[in-house]
Amino acid sequence: DAGVIQSPRHEVTEMGQEVTLRCKPISGHNSLFWYRQTMMRGLELLIYFNNNVPIDDSGMPEDRFSAKMPNASFSTLKIQPSEPRDSAVYFCASSPPKKGGETQYFGPGTRLLVL
Amino acid sequence: AQSVAQPEDQVNVAEGNPLTVKCTYSVSGNPYLFWYVQYPNRGLQFLLKYITGDNLVKGSYGFEAEFNKSQTSFHLKKPSALVSDSALYFCAVRDAGAAGNKLTFGGGTRVLVKP
Repeated sequence: DAGVIQSPRHEVTEMGQEVTLRCKPISGHNSLFWYRQTMMRGLELLIYFNNNVPIDDSGMPEDRFSAKMPNASFSTLKIQPSEPRDSAVYFCASSPPKKGGETQYFGPGTRLLVL
Repeated sequence: AQSVAQPEDQVNVAEGNPLTVKCTYSVSGNPYLFWYVQYPNRGLQFLLKYITGDNLVKGSYGFEAEFNKSQTSFHLKKPSALVSDSALYFCAVRDAGAAGNKLTFGGGTRVLVKP
């Protein structure tokens, strides 16, 4: 299995531009998670989906952030407009159907720099 | 509510010596507990988990962790550390009785193994 796939791996953009991060979960997994990692705040859960439906978006910082999961094999995290404080590494993770204690598997991350 | 504490920001150990990374947790019900490792510029990699059964859990790369219910702890251990174990380690918890499969991560502990 290829694991969780994220693109792009690196993104440099200017303040005010729209940024779209993409994630392909592991085939057969039905839960998908978006995290943000910074030195100051550590690892934060932004939103997670179960069976393509957003379950908990309480970690989404503000309305500039939005996430979608149109099908079981694809999700996007969009920032519009982007700001320098959004600079971080964004991780996507997926986990298999719930049987108890299911493990989350992380992608390699997208390193975002907003100038 | 669920929470995790990793009381040490950094642990330094000489190669060949035992390594311990501490983790304590708080959940309303029974815990599912996880350890992840993050190498530089990489995503989080699953090491091991406790779901039920034997309190001593063995995982990848010679790591193990012991679940202690009375002390609400799940410390990660390795009998003989390697320089290549230098990385960032995260403990995570989920309440087994909670709806959804959202994990709560600790702040991470940086391990530095010196030759």
